[in-house]
Amino acid sequence: QVQLQESGPGLVKPSETLSLTCTVSGGSVNSGSYYWSWIRQPPGKGLEWIGYIQYSGSTNYNPSLKSRVTISVDTSRNQFSLKVNSVTAADTAVYYCATNKYTYYYYYLDVRGKGTTVTVSS
Amino acid sequence: QSALTQPASVSGSPGQSITISCTGTSSDVGGYNYVSWYQQHPGKAPKLIIYDVINRPSGVSNRFSGSKSGNTASLTISGLQAEDEADYYCSSYTGSNTVAFGGGTKVTVL
Repeated sequence: QVQLQESGPGLVKPSETLSLTCTVSGGSVNSGSYYWSWIRQPPGKGLEWIGYIQYSGSTNYNPSLKSRVTISVDTSRNQFSLKVNSVTAADTAVYYCATNKYTYYYYYLDVRGKGTTVTVSS
Repeated sequence: QSALTQPASVSGSPGQSITISCTGTSSDVGGYNYVSWYQQHPGKAPKLIIYDVINRPSGVSNRFSGSKSGNTASLTISGLQAEDEADYYCSSYTGSNTVAFGGGTKVTVL
């Protein structure tokens, strides 16, 4: 069974770039069955879909974040990553990596990561 | 502001049934049968409990059921138990090929 583990800095300064990595075990990022996704949850607030990447490099982003977000995949390390540029306090959140629960249906998320807290503060 | 509208809180006594609504538009909830629900306990990751409006993933209790009418989807929890106390989020595929979430509903078992 695929397991996911988020990693990255817990503190980022305003206007800088937030960078997180999700390490995949028990499966391959090269699998065509999976959409590798990111969602986030600001403190005390609801969930927000950020986007996904497929093994082919095809991406799909939340329009509200598209100008600042990049999701990439590193097949050699079996990882996928998230970058958010020009961060503000509004980007403070728990970030989760996820995959799809069912083949082809990227919108049904299987959130297998435990989440990592990122705080934007100087 | 979330794309889908949910009540902030719903409560019920053990054994009772409660229903959580999720209102969207014809571009999301009303336009597709790709509505899902997630359960999230404090400090934990969200867990998928309903997909395709009415279906339950393997291992999810049959006390959870989903439905939809027009632009509003609903999650019903029957035979409410203490372990059901959690936050619940609806989600929908949208016509823009993205995912929308509701703001979440806190379920309290009295």
